[in-house]
Amino acid sequence: EVQLVESGGGLVQPGGSLRLSCAASGFTFSSNWMSWVRQAPGEGLEWVANIKPDGSDKYYVDSVKGRFTISRDNAKNSLYLQMNSLRAEDTAVYYCARDLGYCSGGNCYNWFDPWGQGTLVTVSS
Amino acid sequence: DIQMTQSPSSLSASVGDKVTITCRASQSIGSFLNWYQQKPGKAPKLLIYAASSLQSGVPSRFSGSGSGTDFTLTISSLRPEDFATFYCQQSYSTPKTFGQGTKLEIK
Repeated sequence: EVQLVESGGGLVQPGGSLRLSCAASGFTFSSNWMSWVRQAPGEGLEWVANIKPDGSDKYYVDSVKGRFTISRDNAKNSLYLQMNSLRAEDTAVYYCARDLGYCSGGNCYNWFDPWGQGTLVTVSS
Repeated sequence: DIQMTQSPSSLSASVGDKVTITCRASQSIGSFLNWYQQKPGKAPKLLIYAASSLQSGVPSRFSGSGSGTDFTLTISSLRPEDFATFYCQQSYSTPKTFGQGTKLEIK
């Protein structure tokens, strides 16, 4: 069974740091792009960052650039999100998700499947 | 960034009804459009990818259509377990953006 399990969430003060982890199982982790997606309480979904299978390319939403770092350890089948200089607006459930896709006729389609159960990050004093 | 706009934001319907949710992109995105279903307290679940391809295991009452800027998710005959929030998401360019969600409630 393909499974993603996040951990590391919690309460942190503004300006603080937190490191999220995502343990993957049931698929070849080292062959897949991976993403972090967050959801503020009562709000919609926001893609945060993704990383290439070998870790050589990483992309971020503008609001976290320079503060968050996505990384992976393929030997441990694990994805990470280092979050620094946290703000109240970073409060959210953070999901890891596999970036799946295929290419056809020169177009490469991608989607998120599966998702982990999420881990809650609360930034508050 | 590409903005995704869903309509309606909320919808009340009855079991057995046919329901259509619309998603509009701020620029043409071809068929780079996915749909997800999220139930309260749960992670989103993929329903449709590449605008019209049904994810394995998803009931055939769900269907997707559209290309360019306008897309629809249709549920042909609502079942009790379908009441949830639905999100569209474009994968045409980074950042990958979502619609604001459509909450489907029981009438």
